[in-house]
Amino acid sequence: GESVGLHLPTLSVQEGDNSIINCAYSNSASDYFIWYKQESGKGPQFIIDIRSNMDKRQGQRVTVLLNKTVKHLSLQIAATQPGDSAVYFCAEAINQAGTALIFGKGTTLSVSS
Amino acid sequence: EPEVTQTPSHQVTQMGQEVILRCVPISNHLYFYWYRQILGQKVEFLVSFYNNEISEKSEIFDDQFSVERPDGSNFTLKIRSTKLEDSAMYFCASSEQRALYEQYFGPGTRLTVT
Repeated sequence: GESVGLHLPTLSVQEGDNSIINCAYSNSASDYFIWYKQESGKGPQFIIDIRSNMDKRQGQRVTVLLNKTVKHLSLQIAATQPGDSAVYFCAEAINQAGTALIFGKGTTLSVSS
Repeated sequence: EPEVTQTPSHQVTQMGQEVILRCVPISNHLYFYWYRQILGQKVEFLVSFYNNEISEKSEIFDDQFSVERPDGSNFTLKIRSTKLEDSAMYFCASSEQRALYEQYFGPGTRLTVT
């Protein structure tokens, strides 16, 4: 079965809007979560991560929220730009060096001007 | 900024042939990984490697697959006898030796098995 998944395969927003991409995970043992961005023809690019002892973490224009009660992870992108158009994956791992990342299926974000 | 590099960018091979995909991880990283992504699907873990040994592998990583660090900079994935279903993007990643880590991914090698 799938350990990590995303609620919506696609999300279309207007430039300047805020975007919210959601992810559900099922492995209670996972304690490290990461969001990756993948542009066409490229490898996954790290965006932001969060440990299980936190419920919110902010970066530049991005915020990750973690709700361990319902095993839900979200990525918020503020003032979405056309350059944000990509596939976004959440991934989970057990907090240990060298551990495999388990990826979800991905949400394609399309930003129109 | 240091980055993971992979060669070739695209490899076409016939079914049954052996292929070697090459990666140069970030120089001070000590953990290395291979993932694959079948077109339109999620990224799947294959194997992790540390201190010249496999640390962890998935059920995808069967006897047809092997990894090697032949020298101080390269990390390779070998598929002994390719199958049609091995067609995918193969990503190499590396991370530092620390408990909380970022895995940095290379641009990938597109493997097409005909």
